[in-house]
This record gives sequence, structure tokens and C-alpha cells, in this order.
Amino acid sequence: GAVVSQHPSRVICKSGTSVKIECRSLDFQATTMFWYRQFPKQSLMLMATSNEGSKATYEQGVEKDKFLINHASLTLSTLTVTSAHPEDSSFYICTIKARDRNTEAFFGQGTRLTVV
Amino acid sequence: QKEVEQDPGPLSVPEGAIVSLNCTYSNSAFQYFMWYRQYSRKGPELLMYTYSSGNKEDGRFTAQVDKSSKYISLFIRDSQPSDSATYLCAMHRGFQKLVFGTGTRLLVSP
Repeated sequence: GAVVSQHPSRVICKSGTSVKIECRSLDFQATTMFWYRQFPKQSLMLMATSNEGSKATYEQGVEKDKFLINHASLTLSTLTVTSAHPEDSSFYICTIKARDRNTEAFFGQGTRLTVV
Repeated sequence: QKEVEQDPGPLSVPEGAIVSLNCTYSNSAFQYFMWYRQYSRKGPELLMYTYSSGNKEDGRFTAQVDKSSKYISLFIRDSQPSDSATYLCAMHRGFQKLVFGTGTRLLVSP
């Protein structure tokens, strides 16, 4: 069964509005969750590392004021795309590391965001 | 030069064929190597996880790492139409962020 639940799976929004994406760890408490973005025919790119109870760590070139991350509990992290623009249209995926191996083992099903 | 290079494909094979998927990388510090499978409009799922050089086998899947050549491979034996997906290689140095290849699209025809 799914270890990570992400929703919505698909969202279409108007330019200038904000969109919230939720990521839940179902099987165990995840102090750290990761948010990736995937453009068509490109690699998955890490956007930020979400830490429970503290501020997220953003990768270079990712605007922290535009992509708000809140790790409210040990099982929930949210990514809010604020004032969305068409160039923000992408596939957003959250992930968590497995307990017994040093890698992202469990991915959410992803959210396809289309900004019109 | 990208840190990880992967041919995007598509790679088309008949059912039952042996599939070879490959990635090259430039950073000799990478120690952990992964292969993920991603179906259309879904998140990736971890297939194989290898530390350092060598081979690892899991059912029809074999992962190989050649650190001297900075080359990793994923072999799929007796390929099935259900194996049709995009296969992503990824690697990291240990407690560092993952670096992904662009993915190779595999099509297995019945």
C-alpha cells in the first residue's frame, strides 16, 4: 500500500492565485520530507527539504516566498505555490526517506499543476 | 556537463527481451546509486538501491555499478509490457541531495 499520500493529483488554477499541495506520511513519522519538481522531459529537481518544527531548506534558485513549505506535524508537509504563474506549471512530488536506507524511497503520486 | 547523463529514449523492445538501461556520471564522490520506475502521471517508485560498486539482483532486475568507469546499468530480463515506463537513475554522496538522470522511456511491445 501507499506509504506517502499526496493530493490533489491534479489542479488547474488561474494565474495569480495560490495552490496548496499536501503530502502525508502514512506509515511512519517523517521528520524530513522532500519536495521535487519535474518539468516535461527533464530530471526531477529538488526544490526544498521540509523539516518538522523548523524552517524549510530551499535549493539555490527556488524562491522561498513563492513556494511556502509548512511541516506542521511528523506526518504532514504542505507546499503552497503563491501567486502562481504559467511557468510554475509542473509536476510536483513529495518524498520521504526510508528508515533503513539513506535514500528517498517513498514518493507521493505527484501533483500536476497547470496555471492558466 | 550534467552530473548525470541518461539517454531519454524511447527504447522499444519486444516482450521477453533483455533490456539494458544505463547512466554515466561525472562526480566520483557518488556512493549510493538508485533506479526508480515511473509510470505516466505517477510518482517514481524505488526499484534498486546499491551502495558502491558491484552487482545487485532482485528478481528480473539486476543493477550494476562500475565506479571506475562512472557507469551504472539496470538490466531487465524477460521484459513484460507492464515494464513499460520511464526509468530514472539517481545517485548521491551520502546524506546529500539526490541527483537524477532525465529518465529513459522504455516501451515493451507484446
